[in-house]
Amino acid sequence: EAGVAQSPRYKIIEKRQSVAFWCNPISGHATLYWYQQILGQGPKLLIQFQNNGVVDDSQLPKDRFSAERLKGVDSTLKIQPAKLEDSAVYLCASSLWGDYTDTQYFGPGTRLTVL
Amino acid sequence: DQQVKQNSPSLSVQEGRISILNCDYTNSMFDYFLWYKKYPAEGPTFLISISSIKDKNEDGRFTVFLNKSAKHLSLHIVPSQPGDSAVYFCAAKRGYALNFGKGTSLLVTP
Repeated sequence: EAGVAQSPRYKIIEKRQSVAFWCNPISGHATLYWYQQILGQGPKLLIQFQNNGVVDDSQLPKDRFSAERLKGVDSTLKIQPAKLEDSAVYLCASSLWGDYTDTQYFGPGTRLTVL
Repeated sequence: DQQVKQNSPSLSVQEGRISILNCDYTNSMFDYFLWYKKYPAEGPTFLISISSIKDKNEDGRFTVFLNKSAKHLSLHIVPSQPGDSAVYFCAAKRGYALNFGKGTSLLVTP
């Protein structure tokens, strides 16, 4: 079974530029999550999708971050414009249904450096 | 506000001995707890979990203990192997959202 795929793996941009990350979840997984992991911290949930609907985006900085999951499969996360403090690893995860016993499977992440 | 705390940033253990990783939480509403393991340049991978209605769960060399009155859980790895060297994250759930600790870096030396 193929795992969660993410691209690109690494991205370096200057502040105020835009960037987009892509995620392809495990086939058949209805729930998709985006996390931000700052160096030395645990992952922090940014947004959760159930199929193509948003379940929770309470921690997404909506003035600069946006995410979509068209057709309930792939997802993109965008930052526009980027700030220095956005430097982090962005992790995508997926799970079957999203209930409390569901295991979340993580992709390898995209490491973003904002200069 | 950090609701899940891993107070030991690192731990070094000899191969064959027991590794004990600790985690404390503040939110008594958490009802499911998990441990994830992370190698460099990879995403976290699920290791073991425990429901709040249990106090112990075992899977091979890995055992998780939950002490709800103390709001404390621990992961025991016996025997430890060099391949266990990784960062271990404790996570707690209420509903669907995972709340992670900052992680403990485990080094198992030959």
